[in-house]
This record gives sequence, C-alpha cells and structure tokens, in this order.
Amino acid sequence: GENVEQHPSTLSVQEGDSAVIKCTYSDSASNYFPWYKQELGKRPQLIIDIRSNVGEKKDQRIAVTLNKTAKHFSLHITETQPEDSAVYFCAASPSGNTGKLIFGQGTTLQVKP
Amino acid sequence: DTGVSQNPRHKITKRGQNVTFRCDPISEHNRLYWYRQTLGQGPEFLTYFQNEAQLEKSRLLSDRFSAERPKGSFSTLEIQRTEQGDSAMYLCASSFRQTSTDTQYFGPGTRLTVL
Repeated sequence: GENVEQHPSTLSVQEGDSAVIKCTYSDSASNYFPWYKQELGKRPQLIIDIRSNVGEKKDQRIAVTLNKTAKHFSLHITETQPEDSAVYFCAASPSGNTGKLIFGQGTTLQVKP
Repeated sequence: DTGVSQNPRHKITKRGQNVTFRCDPISEHNRLYWYRQTLGQGPEFLTYFQNEAQLEKSRLLSDRFSAERPKGSFSTLEIQRTEQGDSAMYLCASSFRQTSTDTQYFGPGTRLTVL
C-alpha cells in the first residue's frame, strides 16, 4: 500500500550546521512531495514542495531533492538557527487525482545555540 | 484571519458519547481534507471532499465516523460512540484544485480527549 518512511526520527545539530532529513515512498506514481514544519501545539506549515518533473528546488536556506528512480527525496537546511527547531514531516501524494497526502513519521530537529 | 479555522479547539468527552467538529476552509478553496494525528506521528488521511462530494474515505475509517460538507463550504466530522482510541488531534486542510498537486493549508486542529 501507500507508505512514506522518514529518517531520522530525531536530529540534533549545532547552530550554523546543516541538517538533512530523508524520506522514501512506495508508490512510484507519486507526483507531489511537500515538506511541513510543525511547532509544538501549532498547525503544520508548508515550507517547501517539489513536483515529480523537477529534481531539485531551493528557497533561501532550504532545499529539497528528488530521486524518482530510487523513490527518495530529502530536505536540506543550511546555516541552521534555533528557530528552525520543530518537527518536520515529509509527505507524498500517491497516484490518482485526490491530492491526499501520505505523511512520514516526522523528524524532531533540535538546533542548539 | 483568512486561514483555515476549526472549532472547537479542544473537546473532552466520555467514552460512548458522540462528538462533532467543524472546519471552515479558506474561501474559494474547493477541496477539503480531514486528517488525524496522534502524538509523535504524522497526520493520517481520513477523507476528502471536492466541493460537496465526498470522493474518498480511508479504509481505516470506521463506520462510527461520518463527514459532511453541505453546499461545498464548511465541513463537519462526527464521531459516534467515541472510544479511548479516538483520542487524537483532528486536522482539517483545504486547497484550491488547479492540478492534482495543489498545496494544502492546515487548520489549527481540534484536540479530542476521550475519558
């Protein structure tokens, strides 16, 4: 069935270092891959997304890469800041036209000042 | 506030009671989704509407759960005969369908606690 695996479950970095979170998906026809940031007690907020016709996308300190052959996509955060500390979720939109999202289990990122 | 809103924000109920949650999507958004999120997990898809039509329900959704979206505007999610396992955050999201890869915007959620 549809499944998204996310690693690591927790990640601790020093301020200024880079952070990388990786996800794999099972449905090879998935065509949309958003990343959400969720702070404690808050709603998930979209931070970046990528569509299946693109291999990489960058927005300031955040970048996402997609490898369709390996069914793998990653979030890269450079020059991390304490305010980047949150839970990050990857998601994939499987085949079909519903637009529903299948989420990974989440990564808790802690940026130490 | 022009974002997705949900009410109530918190609900505490006793096992066996019925509860109903409401979601108001961003105006002009024609797609509306319900997800459930338990502690330490990612949101789990429950169901979605395009306008007033409910087009998909998760196989995980028991028949105690029902959702409606009359007139294609707000939506309600009802849980009958609540069980302790229903305790979770219920999230609503909306999007404007232009392609199958439309961006979903989430509401703040309704936290349900079943005693």
